[in-house]
Amino acid sequence: EAGVAQSPRYKIIEKRQSVAFWCNPISGHATLYWYQQILGQGPKLLIQFQNNGVVDDSQLPKDRFSAERLKGVDSTLKIQPAKLEDSAVYLCASSARDGYNEQFFGPGTRLTVL
Amino acid sequence: GESVGLHLPTLSVQEGDNSIINCAYSNSASDYFIWYKQESGKGPQFIIDIRSNMDKRQGQRVTVLLNKTVKHLSLQIAATQPGDSAVYFCAESGSARQLTFGSGTQLTVLP
Repeated sequence: EAGVAQSPRYKIIEKRQSVAFWCNPISGHATLYWYQQILGQGPKLLIQFQNNGVVDDSQLPKDRFSAERLKGVDSTLKIQPAKLEDSAVYLCASSARDGYNEQFFGPGTRLTVL
Repeated sequence: GESVGLHLPTLSVQEGDNSIINCAYSNSASDYFIWYKQESGKGPQFIIDIRSNMDKRQGQRVTVLLNKTVKHLSLQIAATQPGDSAVYFCAESGSARQLTFGSGTQLTVLP
């Protein structure tokens, strides 16, 4: 079975610019997550979708971050405008459903903000 | 807020020896725990999980032990191999069914 796909794998931008990341979850997985992983730390949940609805976005900096999951499949995460502290790896994960279910992670997008 | 922490940031073991990676958690309401392995440039990979109604669970070369009394979780890797070198994260989940990750332990397997 194909894994979680993410693109781009790497992105370098200057502060105050905009950037968008794309995620394609495993086919049939209803739940999709976006995490931010700063170097040397564990992933931190930004937003969780169940199908095309938001379950939790309490840790998403909504003044600059936005995410959507149209049609309950692919998802995009956007940062506008980017700050230096946004430099991190952005991971997308999916699971068959919420609860006691394994989350499968994509390879991530490494963002560097200069 | 609640957090998941690891005792040691790095661990070096000889190839063939057993490895033990420890994790402390503080949320007494957590009822599901997972160990992930993350290699450089890759996303976390599921290793093994355990629910709070269990004390021990075994997989292939890995064992997870859960001590709810002291809120401690450990991952044991038998006969550690070079391919086991990676960062290992424990993660916990409570009623919200969301994962909270610790900061990770870097495991290095020495030849």
